Amino acid sequence: EVQLVQSGAEVKKPGESLKISCKASGYSFTSQWIGWVRQMPGKGLEWMGMIFPGDSDTRYSPSSQGQVTISADKSTSTAYLQWSSLKASDTAMYYCARHRGYSFADYWGQGTLVTVSS
Amino acid sequence: EIVMTQSPATLSVSPGERVTLSCRASQSVNNNLGWYQQKPGQAPRLLIYGASTRDTGVPARFSGSWSATDFTLTISTLQSEDFAIYYCQQYHNWPFTFGGGTKVEIK
Repeated sequence: EVQLVQSGAEVKKPGESLKISCKASGYSFTSQWIGWVRQMPGKGLEWMGMIFPGDSDTRYSPSSQGQVTISADKSTSTAYLQWSSLKASDTAMYYCARHRGYSFADYWGQGTLVTVSS
Repeated sequence: EIVMTQSPATLSVSPGERVTLSCRASQSVNNNLGWYQQKPGQAPRLLIYGASTRDTGVPARFSGSWSATDFTLTISTLQSEDFAIYYCQQYHNWPFTFGGGTKVEIK
């Protein structure tokens, strides 16, 4: 059974760093893209980026480029989304999702709520 | 970037009704289009991919169709568990983009 289990909710202050995780199981982690999707409070879904753990090929959306870093650890089948300096506007629910090929997302994590407030 | 436009933003319907949701792409995406359902407090769920193929376990009352850059999700007989927000998403070009969503609410 494919599962994506995300790390727990975070409360941070502006300017702090953060790394959230998404642990995959039930399939070959290195063979499928994993993406990250942001959902700001009361808003829609937005793709941030995706990574192919097999070779670490990474794509970022224009709005996320330079704002976050996506990485993956093959040894633990875990993908990461990282910020070096959080802003209040980063407050959102973040979902990881497995892609079927370079296409749609067929399995989703449960989401990680990130709250950035002074 | 391909812009996906969904209409209407909100649909008020009664259980048992037939529902049609629309999604339009700003340029051709062929049939590289998925539909997702999101209920409050839950992650999105894939319903349809390839514009018209139901994912495993998705009830047959959900169907997708397309013509050029116009896509439709139809729920043939709305059940109580179908009240949710529905998003279309193109995966023809990166960045993959979602529509703004259609909320299907109880009338």
